[in-house]
Amino acid sequence: DGGITQSPKYLFRKEGQNVTLSCEQNLNHDAMYWYRQDPGQGLRLIYYSQIVNDFQKGDIAEGYSVSREKKESFPLTVTSAQKNPTAFYLCASSMGRQVDEQFFGPGTRLTVL
Amino acid sequence: SQQGEEDPQALSIQEGENATMNCSYKTSINNLQWYRQNSGRGLVHLILIRSNEREKHSGRLRVTLDTSKKSSSLLITASRAADTASYFCAGYMEYGNKLVFGAGTILRVKS
Repeated sequence: DGGITQSPKYLFRKEGQNVTLSCEQNLNHDAMYWYRQDPGQGLRLIYYSQIVNDFQKGDIAEGYSVSREKKESFPLTVTSAQKNPTAFYLCASSMGRQVDEQFFGPGTRLTVL
Repeated sequence: SQQGEEDPQALSIQEGENATMNCSYKTSINNLQWYRQNSGRGLVHLILIRSNEREKHSGRLRVTLDTSKKSSSLLITASRAADTASYFCAGYMEYGNKLVFGAGTILRVKS
C-alpha cells in the first residue's frame, strides 16, 4: 500500500522549542518537498530535495531546517528562530520532473502555545 | 509574490450546476496542474495541462490554458456535494523546478 505519511497529525510547541515533523514515502520517489499553508492561502515552499543527501531552500526557508539521509525520509525541523510557526505543514513527493504530479501527505498542524 | 491569483476566492453553487475557477500568473508558467484539497487534508492531483496544450478533459473536469494571457481555467460540470473543497492551480516558472501555487478557490456545492 504505497503512499506518503506525516506524523504527528497535531503538534503543540512552546515558544523557544525546536520541533521535528516526520515525512516518509514508500513510492520510490526521488523528489520530496515541504510546504507551509496558512489559513485561506495557498502553499508556500519551505525546502525541497531532488535527490538523497541534497536539498535546496524554497521561498520561506528561514527558521526551518531539513535533512535527506534516506530516499524515503525528509524530516522538517521548525526551530525557535521561526517567529510565526503556527501553520499547517504539508509534505509531498514526486518523480521530480515538471510533468509529474506531487503526492501529498495528510499534513501536520503545528500550534505554538 | 510569485503566487498565482485565483478567481473567485469563493464560489457557492447548487448541485448539478457547473463551477468555473480561474487562475492567472504574472509570468509565464509551464506544465500547469490543478489540485483539490478537502478541509484539513492533503492535496490531491486532478489534472495536468502541458504548455503546448490548450484544452484537456478528464471525466467531469475541463481545463483550458491560455499562454498568451498566462491564465488557466478549471470547469467542473454537473457538480456534486462531494465536490465541495478548495481548488488550487500550480505551475512551474520558466526554467524553474518549483511548483508555484495559486491562493485557491473555495467551492461549496449545496445539495
